[in-house]
Amino acid sequence: KQEVTQIPAALSVPEGENLVLNCSFTDSAIYNLQWFRQDPGKGLTSLLLIQSSQREQTSGRLNASLDKSSGRSTLYIAASQPGDSATYLCAVGASSSNTGKLIFGQGTTLQVKP
Amino acid sequence: NAGVTQTPKFRVLKTGQSMTLLCAQDMNHEYMYWYRQDPGMGLRLIHYSVGEGTTAKGEVPDGYNVSRLKKQNFLLGLESAAPSQTSVYFCASRRSGGLINEQFFGPGTRLTVL
Repeated sequence: KQEVTQIPAALSVPEGENLVLNCSFTDSAIYNLQWFRQDPGKGLTSLLLIQSSQREQTSGRLNASLDKSSGRSTLYIAASQPGDSATYLCAVGASSSNTGKLIFGQGTTLQVKP
Repeated sequence: NAGVTQTPKFRVLKTGQSMTLLCAQDMNHEYMYWYRQDPGMGLRLIHYSVGEGTTAKGEVPDGYNVSRLKKQNFLLGLESAAPSQTSVYFCASRRSGGLINEQFFGPGTRLTVL
């Protein structure tokens, strides 16, 4: 059974710092991996999606990498800003069937202090 | 486009009462999903649908029923609510096929069962 883990559960950094969020999964047979952002009391916003054949995706100050063999993904945020404060969730697209089902990690809550 | 919308946004039920949560999407997506989010547990899949008239069980289906009579709508029903069903419920949709299709989420319904 696929399990997705995100460590740490919470992270606090000063503004301007570069940071890395970690996501690990137990079964390397995945379709894709998606990173989401969730603001308090809000829904999920998709940030980046990496296909199983890709190693990284970039969008602005965000860079997500994928290493299927080691069961790891990282989300790199450059020059963090207070507006980046949110919970970040990673989710793995299971390869057992192409139904798009996602298995989520518990999330990392990020606070960027001015 | 409104994207994915959910009705209602908040609801308080007494144990044993029933209710239906409505999810609607205007993106002509084939696939739709219902998740619940509990503190410290990430999102867990309740039921999903890969097309009009089809439904399937997810990870935590007990106590819930769903229907997909129209392509744009996905209904989640609680026949006899229990305090364990207190949670935030999210609906999502996605285009069928391919590895690159992202899931788009609604804003959530916060349900409390007393």
